[in-house]
Amino acid sequence: IQLTQSPSSLSASVGDRVTITCRASLGITSHLAWYQQKPGKAPKLLIHTASALESGVPPRFSGSGSGTDFTLTISDVQPEDFATYYCQQVKSYPLTFGGGTKVEIK
Amino acid sequence: EVQLVESGGGLVQPGGSLRLSCAVSGFTFSDHYMDWVRQAPGKGLEWVGRIRNSVNGYTTEYAASVKGRFTVSRDDSKNSLYVQMNSLKIEDTAVYYCARRVDLRGDNEAFDVWGQGTMVTVSS
Repeated sequence: IQLTQSPSSLSASVGDRVTITCRASLGITSHLAWYQQKPGKAPKLLIHTASALESGVPPRFSGSGSGTDFTLTISDVQPEDFATYYCQQVKSYPLTFGGGTKVEIK
Repeated sequence: EVQLVESGGGLVQPGGSLRLSCAVSGFTFSDHYMDWVRQAPGKGLEWVGRIRNSVNGYTTEYAASVKGRFTVSRDDSKNSLYVQMNSLKIEDTAVYYCARRVDLRGDNEAFDVWGQGTMVTVSS
């Protein structure tokens, strides 16, 4: 199952609302997770089951979607949110990640 | 504190072998499936392979790119995860992360804990 993320990069200002999309080549129901990765660091789980916020993750992060189309939204972007975001499908093997979306400061 | 610590990375020639380890602490290792994920320099994340727990027979799954060359194993008595990498290719150059799989409702799952990664460089 291929995951296509868009855009591959975006520029945003602190306080903006940011939306990242992830499209699956086949339906994956809600078997999708979102991760945040900062340079030189391991990925961090943000969202699982397409829309469930991982414990400790700020509520400005939200996920939605089902089937083939998914969205990660960051409302009121903060300085610490500038990072690369990946979606991952866990519906079938091989598990796959999207190509990533780099969120940069405008 | 839940912690995963990888080791064993380094420089290896094409065709060579390397074994990575992931030492686990702070949770019941034997309960969890464990995974390896890699990231080539400047590139995205690529799932490498998985080993299930004892209840599920320690069975494994692999990405096509490494199947037949890499072997994921574990030693629950040592709280350790391994990946034996043989016939290494230049394109295997990457940071290798171990990750804990968490079992979620509705047959769902995610990788909720990650190690810091260990760098493997395949070059002559």
